[in-house]
Amino acid sequence: DGGITQSPKYLFRKEGQNVTLSCEQNLNHDAMYWYRQDPGQGLRLIYYSQIVNDFQKGDIAEGYSVSREKKESFPLTVTSAQKNPTAFYLCASSPGLANYGYTFGSGTRLTVV
Amino acid sequence: RKEVEQDPGPFNVPEGATVAFNCTYSNSASQSFFWYRQDCRKEPKLLMSVYSSGNEDGRFTAQLNRASQYISLLIRDSKLSDSATYLCVVNMETGGSYIPTFGRGTSLIVHP
Repeated sequence: DGGITQSPKYLFRKEGQNVTLSCEQNLNHDAMYWYRQDPGQGLRLIYYSQIVNDFQKGDIAEGYSVSREKKESFPLTVTSAQKNPTAFYLCASSPGLANYGYTFGSGTRLTVV
Repeated sequence: RKEVEQDPGPFNVPEGATVAFNCTYSNSASQSFFWYRQDCRKEPKLLMSVYSSGNEDGRFTAQLNRASQYISLLIRDSKLSDSATYLCVVNMETGGSYIPTFGRGTSLIVHP
């Protein structure tokens, strides 16, 4: 079955460490997105990519980095510069056209210890 | 002003009730609209797209009012399993790309 896979499901990070969250899709979607969700809050866009080897900053890109070397993969690195990284991170993909919806992965819960 | 606004609720309704949510958006050039459902500690899942002519899927009806820049979701004959957060999503055109912008969500609690 086609879908979008995020790993790990839970991640614990020590302060000062960089961590990378994985996002892989086999839906042949062009566009991929990373969102952050805090308790009781909506989804905030971190980065997005409409095509391989290209990506754009979203509303809250500071302290994060991404790469898009393959169509199927869009990993997110949470760097030590991100001051409050504890959150629920969601990856999504879409065909990239205006009238299509978005498919989400099951998310990664990151906790700084 | 937030680009996509929703009443966070919670809307607390008995089984069998009809409940409606609204969502307003600020960008008149917005192209497409969706309702997503999110269960606690889970990822959002597409509930339905919202078309200009309105659309219905079983107990769920979605409407779009471009003149007033809002979309709505009506749930008839509420079930306990409808309890969730309902997210409004608006595709906004930005530099030639369509970027999904989410509302904060409206919480629905259906009780026996």
